[in-house]
Amino acid sequence: AQKITQTQPGMFVQEKEAVTLDCTYDTSDPSYGLFWYKQPSSGEMIFLIYQGSYDQQNATEGRYSLNFQKARKSANLVISASQLGDSAMYFCAMREGHNAGNMLTFGGGTRLMVKP
Amino acid sequence: GAVVSQHPSWVICKSGTSVKIECRSLDFQATTMFWYRQFPKQSLMLMATSNEGSKATYEQGVEKDKFLINHASLTLSTLTVTSAHPEDSSFYICSARPSGSRNEQFFGPGTRLTVL
Repeated sequence: AQKITQTQPGMFVQEKEAVTLDCTYDTSDPSYGLFWYKQPSSGEMIFLIYQGSYDQQNATEGRYSLNFQKARKSANLVISASQLGDSAMYFCAMREGHNAGNMLTFGGGTRLMVKP
Repeated sequence: GAVVSQHPSWVICKSGTSVKIECRSLDFQATTMFWYRQFPKQSLMLMATSNEGSKATYEQGVEKDKFLINHASLTLSTLTVTSAHPEDSSFYICSARPSGSRNEQFFGPGTRLTVL
């Protein structure tokens, strides 16, 4: 079974509007972390936001917020006030356990295209 | 934030040659680094976990004799693609997490390997 699922291969959003990128995960480990990364066409992976499984509040970082619904095992990324520079691939990832040596497992990604 | 570098950023080689890719953590120490591979329009797939001073842990299906990993110091891990073939052409990305920092993992800028 897929550990991380991103069901939207591609998304369009109008500039200045908000967009939600879906991510669901599967784990039996009570301690885990969820990450979102942005990958522009240049290829580098840019960290956006992190949510720990024990965090009580949804994570926010500037225009990025994470809609964490633990019971539903979803961790959707919300980008507010979209900008043209937000056009990129977005990956959701999970690390099981809290050890720094635990690897990230990535979802298939969502390509976001912001329309002017 | 923490910086991870990779060298070279782009390499083109003939089939049968070996290619070494370096991953360096520039301002932190990393006992563990990770090597990922990304095919065009696909997600990142973990190849191996590189452990300083010990053998790397390879994911299922990754040939350890084909992809040699050496973690010689706390700031350097190398991936050598031995006897490269065209099917090894891919985008290789390393990552590391600074101990004691926030939970994000920092990625290198990636190395694009093209085998002719």
